[in-house]
Amino acid sequence: DTGVSQDPRHKITKRGQNVTFRCDPISEHNRLYWYRQTLGQGPEFLTYFQNEAQLEKSRLLSDRFSAERPKGSFSTLEIQRTEQGDSAMYLCASSPLPTLRSEFGQYFGPGTRLTVT
Amino acid sequence: LAKTTQPISMDSYEGQEVNITCSHNNIATNDYITWYQQFPSQGPRFIIQGYKTKVTNEVASLFIPADRKSSTLSLPRVSLSDTAVYYCLVGDYGSSNTGKLIFGQGTTLQVKP
Repeated sequence: DTGVSQDPRHKITKRGQNVTFRCDPISEHNRLYWYRQTLGQGPEFLTYFQNEAQLEKSRLLSDRFSAERPKGSFSTLEIQRTEQGDSAMYLCASSPLPTLRSEFGQYFGPGTRLTVT
Repeated sequence: LAKTTQPISMDSYEGQEVNITCSHNNIATNDYITWYQQFPSQGPRFIIQGYKTKVTNEVASLFIPADRKSSTLSLPRVSLSDTAVYYCLVGDYGSSNTGKLIFGQGTTLQVKP
């Protein structure tokens, strides 16, 4: 399967602990996105990479959050000193750079569900 | 990015055609209209995208009137497995932009037997 994969699928942690999630995008996709989704809401944009460069960060991404994409392939999202409000589904998506007349769509992974107790 | 408005929920029965309408009165010239489907505990899945008139693929059809201020996602002959949340998004996804998606609450479609 060559879709977007995320690891782990579920993570339970205690408040104050650090957690790290990994995303492996579709191999030829230049663009990589992280989103967060809470129950009953649509996904919210967190950050965006084009190759290894992080080009946009949402104001939702507090100083406790950091994301990397060191070689322009996989990406990691780290949350330091987790809080109960961080409990959510963290989604990764990837896409190629759009061409002028191409159909565009982001391909999402299955997500990592974080529960902070 | 243009704001979208769509019904919070809809009910249907197996075998029926379902039409979900989305309003986007402030859509910009370069904006495309995209629909995603999301099942519980899964990431959203791209369904269809269009700019104007009608687009059809193996999953759905998308109808966009000339003024582009609304769009309708049409799902033919739904089955129980089409029960999901459907999101309507508009945005300029050209290479000069980041392509980030702005999701609303979506429409929860419940298909009944």
